[in-house]
Amino acid sequence: QVQLVESGGGVVQPGTSLRLSCAASGFTFSTYTMYWIRQAPGKGLEWVASISYDGIYKYYADSVRDRFTISRDNSKNTLYLQMNSLRAEDTAVHYCAKALLVGATGAFDIWGQGTMLTVSS
Amino acid sequence: DIQMTQSPSSVSASVGDRVTITCRASQGISSWLAWYQQKAGKAPKLLIYSISTLQSGVPSRFSGSGSGTDFTLTISNLQPEDFATYFCQQAHSFPLTFGGGTKVEIK
Repeated sequence: QVQLVESGGGVVQPGTSLRLSCAASGFTFSTYTMYWIRQAPGKGLEWVASISYDGIYKYYADSVRDRFTISRDNSKNTLYLQMNSLRAEDTAVHYCAKALLVGATGAFDIWGQGTMLTVSS
Repeated sequence: DIQMTQSPSSVSASVGDRVTITCRASQGISSWLAWYQQKAGKAPKLLIYSISTLQSGVPSRFSGSGSGTDFTLTISNLQPEDFATYFCQQAHSFPLTFGGGTKVEIK
């Protein structure tokens, strides 16, 4: 079945780096725009970053631009989020999600279970 | 950035009730509007996209409407499994943004 499984979360100190991964299965990963979306404890949803199906076009929220890098390896059906200079305000459940439509930005029809990142000294 | 303002932030309702949630965009977003349901400790689930298109497998008691900047999610005949938090989202332009959420609670 169509599935996204995130990994890589944990507890880290401010200023450090971490890489999240999202393994995709059950669909043609290389044809879909992919996303990272996060949710701080008890808060709403915040879009973090997007990457086009071919990895060429990347977009970031202002809150993470210049610190986070989204990438993908279509040969491994895996999405990544490299997070540098982490801050306490990055503490959140991080979800990867798939675009509903091939080659388009829009709604997110498949979500992973989420991986928790806690940034604390 | 396009701001998405959802109301109410919470609503108490009973099984069988009709619940209406509204979402207002700070500028026109054409048909780039989606609704999600999130239950505690779970990932969000897509309910509706393109304002009113029901995602596969979503019960027909959920419906969406609106245009321009004002949109509505309606849950008819509220069921026990519908008690959750609902979010709207615009996909018209980056940054993609969500409404603040509406928690549907049991009266």
